[in-house]
Amino acid sequence: AQSVTQLGSHVSVSEGALVLLRCNYSSSVPPYLFWYVQYPNQGLQLLLKYTTGATLVKGINGFEAEFKKSETSFHLTKPSAHMSDAAEYFCAVSDNDYKLSFGAGTTVTVRA
Amino acid sequence: EAGVAQSPRYKIIEKRQSVAFWCNPISGHATLYWYQQILGQGPKLLIQFQNNGVVDDSQLPKDRFSAERLKGVDSTLKIQPAKLEDSAVYLCASSLEAGQMNYEQYFGPGTRLTVT
Repeated sequence: AQSVTQLGSHVSVSEGALVLLRCNYSSSVPPYLFWYVQYPNQGLQLLLKYTTGATLVKGINGFEAEFKKSETSFHLTKPSAHMSDAAEYFCAVSDNDYKLSFGAGTTVTVRA
Repeated sequence: EAGVAQSPRYKIIEKRQSVAFWCNPISGHATLYWYQQILGQGPKLLIQFQNNGVVDDSQLPKDRFSAERLKGVDSTLKIQPAKLEDSAVYLCASSLEAGQMNYEQYFGPGTRLTVT
């Protein structure tokens, strides 16, 4: 069975600063990895996903994530935070059954 | 294309009452999911449908929760009787077909349930 750990339930960054959200997973098979964003009172929106191939994945809104098998990590980054990035971010893992297991989420606040 | 629709958006009930949520997936999506998202936690899968059949309901508390997707399109999730710990956001998602490598789940806005 797979599981996801997101380090830090809250992250606060200044506008223009680097955003780094950490995600570690456990899976018995090569995983599929996802990052979702949830804005207040909205559903989850897919930011990016890793299935196979290139380990550096680019997503929407300037986000990217790197799959590191040796570290069982899939950290999410954005070089320069914008006020509109304030939201909750969820890392998720799926194995061969395509069911998603989510982390507990990280809330990002952006300071002006 | 229209997204996943859910109603109601908010519901407040007293414990031991019953409640039902409705979900209409994206047109053509064969797979439908119901998730429970408790405050401060990530979504947890309750049940997965493939067309009108149940694929996985291992996490569904079957003594009080039920779900159906009779015609393979829209779906309802029911709780009867509700408990305080059922307070959560109930998310519906759909995907073209589970089992395809590049599938994506599209989520609705959710129904926020408060049980008092």
